[in-house]
Amino acid sequence: EPEVTQTPSHQVTQMGQEVILRCVPISNHLYFYWYRQILGQKVEFLVSFYNNEISEKSEIFDDQFSVERPDGSNFTLKIRSTKLEDSAMYFCASSPGTLSYNEQFFGPGTRLTVL
Amino acid sequence: KNEVEQSPQNLTAQEGEFITINCSYSVGISALHWLQQHPGGGIVSLFMLSSGKKKHGRLIATINIQEKHSSLHITASHPRDSAVYICAVIVNDMRFGAGTRLTVKP
Repeated sequence: EPEVTQTPSHQVTQMGQEVILRCVPISNHLYFYWYRQILGQKVEFLVSFYNNEISEKSEIFDDQFSVERPDGSNFTLKIRSTKLEDSAMYFCASSPGTLSYNEQFFGPGTRLTVL
Repeated sequence: KNEVEQSPQNLTAQEGEFITINCSYSVGISALHWLQQHPGGGIVSLFMLSSGKKKHGRLIATINIQEKHSSLHITASHPRDSAVYICAVIVNDMRFGAGTRLTVKP
């Protein structure tokens, strides 16, 4: 069964460093998403991506964040200069169509720890 | 005030009991999703609803758009149903409730 994969499963970095979180969505899906979940808190939407551009982004997704689909399979989230408060679980998801009509499939998550 | 409110926050049940988890929202939505987050952290989509009712196995989800309310029911609950159940609504983005932690005891 197709699944969304994410690498790495755990990333430890120093404050101020750049990190890139990687995701491989399900191959025939068209919509891609990043979410984060700070430990003990609810899941938060970061960004959605369709047709090679951002379709929606939250207030959290400021200039420190960027997303890219560099080839036909990968979908990446870059944090330019990490802060302590960026420590969280980051989930990638994909869906075949919009979430108004389709379910989405989540990756297992990347735990980011900023020291 | 949160746009998506779930109740209860925590729920403990005995195996076999009928479970109901509620979700109320305060914004206009195009759809509502129910998600399950496993103890290990992984998230699985259970249902996407824009009206009426859906059933999958022992799980039933309903939505009342006029009342801005959805329920998730689990019939004949089992310890493997123990997880956090999350309601999320689609506006332009996806907005999440805080989740309901369900523990089913054998």
